[in-house]
Amino acid sequence: SQQGEEDPQALSIQEGENATMNCSYKTSINNLQWYRQNSGRGLVHLILIRSNEREKHSGRLRVTLDTSKKSSSLLITASRAADTASYFCATALIGYSTLTFGKGTMLLVSP
Amino acid sequence: EAQVTQNPRYLITVTGKKLTVTCSQNMNHEYMSWYRQDPGLGLRQIYYSMNVEVTDKGDVPEGYKVSRKEKRNFPLILESPSPNQTSLYFCASSFPTLGGGTGELFFGEGSRLTVL
Repeated sequence: SQQGEEDPQALSIQEGENATMNCSYKTSINNLQWYRQNSGRGLVHLILIRSNEREKHSGRLRVTLDTSKKSSSLLITASRAADTASYFCATALIGYSTLTFGKGTMLLVSP
Repeated sequence: EAQVTQNPRYLITVTGKKLTVTCSQNMNHEYMSWYRQDPGLGLRQIYYSMNVEVTDKGDVPEGYKVSRKEKRNFPLILESPSPNQTSLYFCASSFPTLGGGTGELFFGEGSRLTVL
């Protein structure tokens, strides 16, 4: 069953703008991860945030986690055309040894 | 180079003709998994394996088989493929995290399967 749900489904912005994607989930997690996929290729891991963490940064990426609201957000600052891709959140549930993906947000960054 | 390798990358086959998609990783990961990706449905897990000889069903296991005889290999077997198994398939592997739960997944480049 799919746990995470990304919002919006699609996002179109101009280069230089910030992009924010959200992920909501239903049950308690060990960690939450964000991945990027370029046009039908393999997914690439971006960031892992543990359930006891509230915020993590990696370069232009900032991820927040609010376990009370069961939600996470991915912020990409100063977007570039090369950031055009689909972004997925994935949750590692407590008591389960697997990772469940949402349906993704399609980001289009126009030059 | 650390990688997950899937073969074949592209395959067109006919209903009922058994096929195997191979997956191999060179990172000594315990955990391996198969996903399928379909438009509008995202990634859905087919099977996963916590270690050699340990496999378990994911969300959509019907029509698939797996085996884990060696740590590095995790083949996906379609005994009698049907058109509804036309999809993009991904193999992935990882170490478990220290705090429990699945760690960072490394994905293969995908295998696009068409069943006529």
